[in-house]
Amino acid sequence: AQSVTQLDSQVPVFEEAPVELRCNYSSSVSVYLFWYVQYPNQGLQLLLKYLSGSTLVESINGFEAEFNKSQTSFHLRKPSVHISDTAEYFCAVSDRAGGFKTIFGAGTRLFVKA
Amino acid sequence: DTEVTQTPKHLVMGMTNKKSLKCEQHMGHRAMYWYKQKAKKPPELMFVYSYEKLSINESVPSRFSPECPNSSLLNLHLHALQPEDSALYLCASSQVGGSSYNSPLHFGNGTRLTVT
Repeated sequence: AQSVTQLDSQVPVFEEAPVELRCNYSSSVSVYLFWYVQYPNQGLQLLLKYLSGSTLVESINGFEAEFNKSQTSFHLRKPSVHISDTAEYFCAVSDRAGGFKTIFGAGTRLFVKA
Repeated sequence: DTEVTQTPKHLVMGMTNKKSLKCEQHMGHRAMYWYKQKAKKPPELMFVYSYEKLSINESVPSRFSPECPNSSLLNLHLHALQPEDSALYLCASSQVGGSSYNSPLHFGNGTRLTVT
């Protein structure tokens, strides 16, 4: 069965500092991995996804994530954060066996301080 | 702006009321979802419709009744709810096809429901 573990419930960081949000998954088959972001009073938005191919994927606003099969990880990184990056970040996994079911991690609250 | 539109944004209802949540998308997606999200928690899947047919019901109590009138619309009918049903209800859609399991979800901004 699939599962997703986000190791940090909250990550406080100063503006312009780098950040890493950790995500580990378990699945017995090939997986597809996603990061979603949720700003206050909004729904979730897709930030980036790994389906196949290059293990390093990037978003349009400077985030990147690397798929590491041996460590079953898909950590999210940004070299320099902005106040506007303050949000809840969810790592998610799906696979062929799960069909329409996407499994979400518990979420990590990124809080960027001035 | 989100491409999945949910109405109303906020809803307060008593335990004896009947109300409906509405969701609309025009991206041509043929899978539509209802999720429930409690504060500081991830979304929990409730229902999935694929090609307007109920595909998944995650053992949701019968006081929640989904409906998919056409490929663009998804409703959630509410009746005799309990205070613990208060939550953010999110609608989502995705493509359907040979690789539906890797198609990302497109979420609306949700309906904040309070049951008094």
